[in-house]
Amino acid sequence: AIQMTQSPSSLSASVGDRVTITCRAGQGIRNDLAWYQQKPGKAPKLLIYDASSLQSGVPSRFSGSGSGTDFTLTISSLQPEDFATYYCLQDHSFPYSFGQGTKVDI
Amino acid sequence: AQLVESGGGLVKPGGSLRLSCEASGFKFSDYHMTWVRQAPGKGLEWVSYITGTGRTIHYADSVRGRFTISRDNANNFLYLQMTSLRVEDTAVYFCVREMGSGGGRDSWGQGTLVSVSS
Repeated sequence: AIQMTQSPSSLSASVGDRVTITCRAGQGIRNDLAWYQQKPGKAPKLLIYDASSLQSGVPSRFSGSGSGTDFTLTISSLQPEDFATYYCLQDHSFPYSFGQGTKVDI
Repeated sequence: AQLVESGGGLVKPGGSLRLSCEASGFKFSDYHMTWVRQAPGKGLEWVSYITGTGRTIHYADSVRGRFTISRDNANNFLYLQMTSLRVEDTAVYFCVREMGSGGGRDSWGQGTLVSVSS
């Protein structure tokens, strides 16, 4: 099984800040990585797929990068509605696996 | 696309439960489906996957041998039969279409809560 190590586990930031979350895979997964945002009591929402492709309807302040084992989700200018928990997902090989999550406090 | 889970509830350790996910608004048989769960206050855990035809299935190690995923393409239902339930299976279970896929293919249900407790 591929282990996904996500960091940090939590962070506090202010509106307008640039925020970076990283995810490291235990082995190479090409670009088979997605990023999700989850708000309390809601289902996760897909932000980024294939490591760097922005899901339709997602604001352009969200971006993803990386390939192989190291990946990054960047929020260029944090907005109040971005308070949430973020997860990476590797869909390269079964069993699929999520990172532990990063809680972003505004 | 709409996915509506049902079948959750309170069950004793060792018991069984079957979750259902009713799909609507799209051609169900064209999409692979996944179950994901989330224990209270915890992160997301991938549980099981089934292709559109149902021919290929995968399970997490934590549920293999106890859970069975299946689908009824004629009636647009996805199922998760859960047996030998453990306290650690307590979670909200989400039904997901094409998890991680772009182009609007990724879609999640609202989840159904399974509580395993004596």
